[in-house]
Amino acid sequence: EDKVVQSPLSLVVHEGDTVTLNCSYEVTNFRSLLWYKQEKKAPTFLFMLTSSGIEKKSGRLSSILDKKELFSILNITATQTGDSAVYLCAVGETSGSRLTFGEGTQLTVNP
Amino acid sequence: DSGVTQTPKHLITATGQRVTLRCSPRSGDLSVYWYQQSLDQGLQFLIHYYNGEERAKGNILERFSAQQFPDLHSELNLSSLELGDSALYFCASSVVTSGYNEQFFGPGTRLTVL
Repeated sequence: EDKVVQSPLSLVVHEGDTVTLNCSYEVTNFRSLLWYKQEKKAPTFLFMLTSSGIEKKSGRLSSILDKKELFSILNITATQTGDSAVYLCAVGETSGSRLTFGEGTQLTVNP
Repeated sequence: DSGVTQTPKHLITATGQRVTLRCSPRSGDLSVYWYQQSLDQGLQFLIHYYNGEERAKGNILERFSAQQFPDLHSELNLSSLELGDSALYFCASSVVTSGYNEQFFGPGTRLTVL
């Protein structure tokens, strides 16, 4: 059974801190790994990673994938209160049909 | 705003009833996915339709069914509702279904079964 594990499950930091969120996976037909941010409602797309070692960046957020060790990290630098959310890691399979999600990391950034 | 729309936003109903959730994908997207998010289960894949045809089923109960219409909107039908069906139901869409395309999520329908 496909499995995605995120750690930590919860994280509380102060504004300006840098955080690293982890995601490991066991998926039979891996195609892609995606990061989403979920605030009050719908998950919003952050990154999709398909190749090892290539960092994707968007502002203060960056992510990288290691297909050999089966994990990904999401880094957020100079955190702001607006970064407070649940960050979800999901893995896509070759059929393109489903995303298997991890439990998420609840990030709280205090002023 | 992802461009995916879902109605209704909230639904309160009683056990044993039947409800229909509606989803309109982003313009140009052929794939529609349904997910259930409950407190104890996280986001769970239910079913995937591509251009009107069912492509894959996940953890979808037999009491649940879905379809995608020629105009590409989709409906998720939930029947014989139980308390445990209370959850957020998300629809997502993508352009194609290669596994290399991101899925964009709608705002969700919060279902409460009393």
